[in-house]
Parts: sequence; C-alpha cells; structure tokens
Amino acid sequence: EVQLVESGGGLVKPGGSLRLSCAASGFTFSNYGMNWVRQAPGKGLEWVSYISSRSSYIYYSDAVKGRFTITRDNAKNSLYLQIHSLRAEDTAVYYCARDETYCRNMNCSDAFDVWGHGTMVTVSS
Amino acid sequence: SSELTQDPAVSVALGQTVRITCQGDSLRSYYANWYQQKPGQAPLLVIYLENNRPSGIPDRFSGSSSGNTASLTITGAQAEDEADYYCSSRDSSDDHLVVFGGGTKLTVL
Repeated sequence: EVQLVESGGGLVKPGGSLRLSCAASGFTFSNYGMNWVRQAPGKGLEWVSYISSRSSYIYYSDAVKGRFTITRDNAKNSLYLQIHSLRAEDTAVYYCARDETYCRNMNCSDAFDVWGHGTMVTVSS
Repeated sequence: SSELTQDPAVSVALGQTVRITCQGDSLRSYYANWYQQKPGQAPLLVIYLENNRPSGIPDRFSGSSSGNTASLTITGAQAEDEADYYCSSRDSSDDHLVVFGGGTKLTVL
C-alpha cells in the first residue's frame, strides 16, 4: 500500500524550532519529488515547500523562506521539514504529499497524488 | 505570487450537476488540479492536468478550462461528494512554486 506518515508535530513556543518527518512506503521514494503543504485551523491549503527526487531542486513559499528547510534521505525513505523561528501563524496541520508532474503541449502541472494524514503544529506561549 | 479565486460555498441538490470554478491569471499558462477534502481527512486528488481523473475517482467528476478559469463539474452529485474542493496550479510569477485556491465548500442538499 502506498503510504505517507508524518510525525514530529506538537506544541512549541514562539521562536522555537521543530523537525517534522514523513515516512514513505509502498513506492520507490527516490523516484519522486515531495512537498509539504499546511492548513491552518479552519483555513485552506497552503503550499510550503518542494524537494526534487535527488534533492537537486528545492523551493519554498515566500511565507516560509529563510525559516524552513526541507530535506530528504532516500536511503531511509524519509522526508523532513526543519522549522525555525516559529510564529503563531505557523500553527497548522502539516501534510507531506508526493509530487507527480504531468505535461501536455509543453505545459506542465504538479499534482499531489498521495498525501499523509498530517501532523499538527501549534505555536503558542 | 499568483492568486486563485474560488467561491467560498456552493450547494447542489442530490443527483443534480454542479460546477465549481477557480479563477486566476496563472490558469492562462498552467493546468489546474483539483482536490477534495472531507472533514478530518487529508486532501484527495480528483482531477489532474485540467481534465484527467486518477484511478478510483468516479467518472461523475470532470474538469475543464477556458481563459483564466478552470472548472470542476460533478454530474449527478452524491451525498458523499459533500466536501471542500481546492484548485491548484503553478504560480505564474514563479513556476517553481505552487498556489492553491481558497477552497469551495460543497453542500449536497
């Protein structure tokens, strides 16, 4: 069964740090780019970061650039998100999602075809 | 960064057809994907590359696009289709980034 399982969330004080993990199984992890997407309580989805299959390409949303670091360990089938300088607005469920790039007519789209169940990060004093 | 705009809420009578729209400049350049999210669950991809259904998604779900607007159509809505729906595409200001719409809550009456 294709599966992603996040862990590492919790309650953190403003300014604190946290490392989220995502364990992949049921597919060849090293063949896929991966993403982190977050969802604040009662709000919509927000894309956070992407890492290519061999870590050659890494991108961040403007909201987290400079504070978040995405990494992966293909030998361990694992994806990570290191979060620093946490703010109240970082409070959210954090999902990892597998990236499948589809192209047609020289135009491409990144579909997130497998998602984990999410891990909750709460930033509060 | 680009923005994708969705109606916050839409309703449909059981068995009828509903269209959920997503507007944004990035849709003139990049294809849309659509996700369904039920309460307490992770999102589920229902349409990719504008009009393709992943395996296991019922054929009552379809996608289309025109100009700066992408649409998700549910033909013969079922009670289990009640959920939040999100569109996404690459960001036209930086195509390495991804942007989501604000989501549409679909109520099946």
